[in-house]
Amino acid sequence: EAGVVQSPRYKIIEKKQPVAFWCNPISGHNTLYWYLQNLGQGPELLIRYENEEAVDDSQLPKDRFSAERLKGVDSTLKIQPAELGDSAVYLCASSIGTGRWTGELFFGEGSRLTVL
Amino acid sequence: SQKIEQNSEALNIQEGKTATLTCNYTNYSPAYLQWYRQDPGRGPVFLLLIRENEKEKRKERLKVTFDTTLKQSLFHITASQPADSATYLCALAEGSTDKLIFGTGTRLQVFP
Repeated sequence: EAGVVQSPRYKIIEKKQPVAFWCNPISGHNTLYWYLQNLGQGPELLIRYENEEAVDDSQLPKDRFSAERLKGVDSTLKIQPAELGDSAVYLCASSIGTGRWTGELFFGEGSRLTVL
Repeated sequence: SQKIEQNSEALNIQEGKTATLTCNYTNYSPAYLQWYRQDPGRGPVFLLLIRENEKEKRKERLKVTFDTTLKQSLFHITASQPADSATYLCALAEGSTDKLIFGTGTRLQVFP
């Protein structure tokens, strides 16, 4: 069974440019997450989807970040414009459950963003 | 304030010994707690989940304990191997919000 697929794996852009990350979760997983991970830190939640609905986006900087999950499957995370401080790894994860007791998360390999 | 604390210093142990990693939390009421392994340049991989009413969970060479009075979880790897070298993250599921919150992780280095 295929795992969570993310692309691109690496992206280098200049500040003020836009960037987009794509995630394809495990088939049948209803909940999808985007996390941000800085070097030496644990993942921090940006947004959580249950099917098509964003049920927690309280940590998403909405002035420059946006996300969508069309048809409750694939998701994209966009940053426009990117700032130097956005350099990090963006992790996508999915889980089979919704609401409480979502259980274990399955993570993709991450998209490493470098903003110059 | 709410905090999840894992030892930020790397843990270096000799092959064959038991590695014990600590996860402490304050001002949370976790419904359950999870442990993940993360290798450099890779995403975290789930290892174990322990619920608030469970004291201990085992899986092969791994053991997790959960003490809600001490607000602490311990993660043990027995008969450690160099292949166990990685960063280990604890994550707790906040009971009131369903949110899974990660600690900063502890890097384990097992040397031959």
